[in-house]
Amino acid sequence: AQTVTQSQPEMSVQEAETVTLSCTYDTSESDYYLFWYKQPPSRQMILVIRQEAYKQQNATENRFSVNFQKAAKSFSLKISDSQLGDAAMYFCAFPNTGTASKLTFGTGTRLQVTL
Amino acid sequence: DTGVSQDPRHKITKRGQNVTFRCDPISEHNRLYWYRQTLGQGPEFLTYFQNEAQLEKSRLLSDRFSAERPKGSFSTLEIQRTEQGDSAMYLCASSLFGPNTGELFFGEGSRLTVL
Repeated sequence: AQTVTQSQPEMSVQEAETVTLSCTYDTSESDYYLFWYKQPPSRQMILVIRQEAYKQQNATENRFSVNFQKAAKSFSLKISDSQLGDAAMYFCAFPNTGTASKLTFGTGTRLQVTL
Repeated sequence: DTGVSQDPRHKITKRGQNVTFRCDPISEHNRLYWYRQTLGQGPEFLTYFQNEAQLEKSRLLSDRFSAERPKGSFSTLEIQRTEQGDSAMYLCASSLFGPNTGELFFGEGSRLTVL
């Protein structure tokens, strides 16, 4: 069974600084996608960034980028130039292969952004 | 607003009562998901619909839980004889493609408190 592990329950970053959130996963598949979702307080969860496992190039979306290390099964999220609006819960997510429907989420990392 | 909407946003009920949550997905999305999220945890998959067909149910979905999606549009999640352990945020999401590749669009959730 696939598992997703986020070992940092909370992280803090100063505004304009860079922070990296960690995620590891376990799978026997060779081709898959990985996702980071953001859940702001009292607001809906939204997709931040997506990585295709067969692509060697790390995905980037504006200030958000990933460090994907397939052999190590590691998928970290880097947020550059942090803004107050980045404060949220961040979840790493992995689709369960063998089923068309299930996305497995990690336990999340709460990111605080300070002035 | 054409996003995923959920109703009610908050529900407080006494143990043993029945509750029903409604989800209106994005209109062109044929896939609909229910997740449950407890404090400090990531969302856990409950069930999945493709159009009106319920194609997968988690073992978390006991026989007190029932979900429907008549006519492949809105969906309802009913919990009968609620227990205190049912207290959680119930999230609905919809998508055009499966979670293996596509983005899930989440609603803001329905928070259930069972006294």
